[in-house]
Amino acid sequence: DVKVTQSSRYLVKRTGEKVFLECVQDMDHENMFWYRQDPGLGLRLIYFSYDVKMKEKGDIPEGYSVSREKKERFSLILESASTNQTSMYLCASSLALRRRLNEKLFFGSGTQLSVL
Amino acid sequence: KNEVEQSPQNLTAQEGEFITINCSYSVGISALHWLQQHPGGGIVSLFMLSSGKKKHGRLIATINIQEKHSSLHITASHPRDSAVYICAVRGEYGNKLVFGAGTILRVKS
Repeated sequence: DVKVTQSSRYLVKRTGEKVFLECVQDMDHENMFWYRQDPGLGLRLIYFSYDVKMKEKGDIPEGYSVSREKKERFSLILESASTNQTSMYLCASSLALRRRLNEKLFFGSGTQLSVL
Repeated sequence: KNEVEQSPQNLTAQEGEFITINCSYSVGISALHWLQQHPGGGIVSLFMLSSGKKKHGRLIATINIQEKHSSLHITASHPRDSAVYICAVRGEYGNKLVFGAGTILRVKS
């Protein structure tokens, strides 16, 4: 089974801190995604990556950046955390479109980030 | 108006009841996903549909492309089915999914 691992389940940070959220997948997936989930709003895409060193902005990229130096790892960076970035952050991965036989999205268990 | 609308937002059922959750979308799509999220956050993919109907155990998902509508049915519901059920669509082009806000299901014993 595909495993998508997020480094922290709960995280508490202070306003202005730099925050790193790490995500690792073990099935050689090309696509990786970072979402945030807020009550009543559903999942919203922050950034995604379809290959090493490639990244594209999602719907709400402001205040975030990402890094994909290796295929299996996709990091989300909050350069200067703010209280409105308190949320559940979910990482996901999937096969590339050209290799997609069964288009299935695999999620990590999420990181609940609180910014005080 | 959101591109993906789910109904109902909240649903409480008695064990054994037949449950239907609906998803309507406003854009042309190439695929629709149904996902399940249990308390604690983990999300599991249940189905991916581009036409017709799929069944897995007590879960059935249908899609009507012309009407831009999908339903997720749960037969003989059980308390362990209690979760948030999320509909997501992928547009005709690209990799991005657009998610509904989710339906919170509680099945009482």
